[in-house]
Parts: sequence; structure tokens; C-alpha cells
Amino acid sequence: EAGVAQSPRYKIIEKRQSVAFWCNPISGHATLYWYQQILGQGPKLLIQFQNNGVVDDSQLPKDRFSAERLKGVDSTLKIQPAKLEDSAVYLCASRRLAGGPYTQYFGPGTRLTVL
Amino acid sequence: DQQVKQNSPSLSVQEGRISILNCDYTNSMFDYFLWYKKYPAEGPTFLISISSIKDKNEDGRFTVFLNKSAKHLSLHIVPSQPGDSAVYFCAACNRIQGAQKLVFGQGTRLTINP
Repeated sequence: EAGVAQSPRYKIIEKRQSVAFWCNPISGHATLYWYQQILGQGPKLLIQFQNNGVVDDSQLPKDRFSAERLKGVDSTLKIQPAKLEDSAVYLCASRRLAGGPYTQYFGPGTRLTVL
Repeated sequence: DQQVKQNSPSLSVQEGRISILNCDYTNSMFDYFLWYKKYPAEGPTFLISISSIKDKNEDGRFTVFLNKSAKHLSLHIVPSQPGDSAVYFCAACNRIQGAQKLVFGQGTRLTINP
């Protein structure tokens, strides 16, 4: 079974530029999560999708961050415009809708550096 | 508001000995707890979990203990092996309006010395 795929793996941009990350979850996983992990901290949930609907986006900075999962499969996370404090690893995770209680499977992440 | 805390940023253990990683939480509504392991340049991988109705769960060399009254859980690895060197994250699950939400601790970097 293929794991969660993310691209790109690394991205360097200047502040005020835009950036987008892509995630393809494990096949058949209905729930998809985006996390932000700042150096020295644990992952922090940004947004959760169930199929193509948003379940929780309470911690997403909506003035600059947006995410979509149009067909209920892959997803994109966008930052526009980027700030220095957005430098972090952005992790995508997925989970079956039922079964394997609470176990989320993570992709390798995209490391973003904002200069 | 740090609801899940791992107060030890790092831990060094001799190969073959027991590694004990600790985690404290503040929210009594958490009903499930998980440990994830992370190698550099990889995403976290699930290691072991425990429901709040249990006080112990064991899987091979890994055992998780939960003390609900103290709001404390720990991960025991015995015997420790060099491949166990990684960052370990404790996570707690909270369900709000049907959404399952994981809250992570800051992580503990475990180094196993030969």
C-alpha cells in the first residue's frame, strides 16, 4: 500500500511570495489533515477534511492560508502572501473514516523556508 | 495553551537498557493517546496507542502506561536498540463536534548509545 505523498519536499521563497503544497493521501482514506510543524515543536493541526468537506479549520490563518480538496482525494494548501514565521514543515496526514481508531498516517512533509 | 507537554527535550540511553519517555496533559476530555516516532526528513510514524479506559498497552518492546488521575502517560522501550534513536511525539485525541483532533507534545529526542 502506497503511503501519503507530498510535493515538493523543499521550497525556499521570499516573504510576500505565494506558495502551494500538494498532498495525495493513502487510497481509500476519507479524512485528510494538514499540519504545520515549526522547528522544536510538535505538529499543529491547520485543517481537517472529510471527503471534500472541511471538518475543522479553527487554527488555519485564513487571511493568508487556504486549502482545498475538490474531488475528495488529493489536496492543496496555499500560503499567500508568506511571512517569515511561516517557515516550517507542512505535513499531510490521512486516516480511514472508520477503523484503526485515531491512527493518522503522515507523509514526509514539505520544508518551507521563507527569507 | 500547551495541552500536551513533553518536558524532556532529549534523552540519552545505553543500548540494551530501558528508555522511558514521559508526557503530561491537561485536558481531561482526551479519550485516546498515541505515540509517534519521527526520523529526520520523514513524517511521523505511528508507534503505539492507548484508550483512556485502559492503563497499559504493550506491543513487543514498546509499552505505554496511562495514569489518568495524574494526567500522565509514559512510553517504555525495552531493550533499547540503536534504531530507536529518533524524535518521539506524544499525541492526545480530542473529539469536538465529531471532528477527531490530535494535539501533539513538543517531542523528545531519544539517542541510544552503543
